[in-house]
Amino acid sequence: DTEVTQTPKHLVMGMTNKKSLKCEQHMGHRAMYWYKQKAKKPPELMFVYSYEKLSINESVPSRFSPECPNSSLLNLHLHALQPEDSALYLCASSQDRGGRSYEQYFGPGTRLTVT
Amino acid sequence: DAKTTQPPSMDCAEGRAANLPCNHSTISGNEYVYWYRQIHSQGPQYIIHGLKNNETNEMASLIITEDRKSSTLILPHATLRDTAVYYCIVRVPWKGTASKLTFGTGTRLQVTL
Repeated sequence: DTEVTQTPKHLVMGMTNKKSLKCEQHMGHRAMYWYKQKAKKPPELMFVYSYEKLSINESVPSRFSPECPNSSLLNLHLHALQPEDSALYLCASSQDRGGRSYEQYFGPGTRLTVT
Repeated sequence: DAKTTQPPSMDCAEGRAANLPCNHSTISGNEYVYWYRQIHSQGPQYIIHGLKNNETNEMASLIITEDRKSSTLILPHATLRDTAVYYCIVRVPWKGTASKLTFGTGTRLQVTL
């Protein structure tokens, strides 16, 4: 199974709402990632988890709160978002071990609209 | 981080080879070249990577120049399903135990009949 799944596929939320994005993989990968992609732009890294610990935070605003409850799951909690946060949110995972980085597998993304 | 430069767009006739160039003149010795593609409204898909030798897999071939300052991704027989944005990425050295990929603007490949 080489699949990364993301739910929901689409999400519309108001600026005062609290919502969560979910990502799951069963490939035994110990590194998981959140990316944000605006229309017609390349993906931009937000967070990296390695062995369930946050290893990279690319200066993301605190209204985005990642969580890695176990090695297969990655959540992104959203609170008090702005309309400019509307984007495609991509999750990825990779098998990182022994000082080597392996290719990242991406999910299909959650298309978020903030109204 | 090494930067990459790619042409913004290319066309290719179906059945012909698509050759996508990438310039990475500031690449350092321990950085790999990765290629990913993103078909419209989908997540990026890994294609191939290499350090200094040419590489081939079932999807594509990667040719890296001897000085490692540029590379070419070759899709030997392009099909309409290969229409996508192709990203050439140079891997940032380790931070912690997970690596970081920085996407550039990519090349939009349009395969036509």
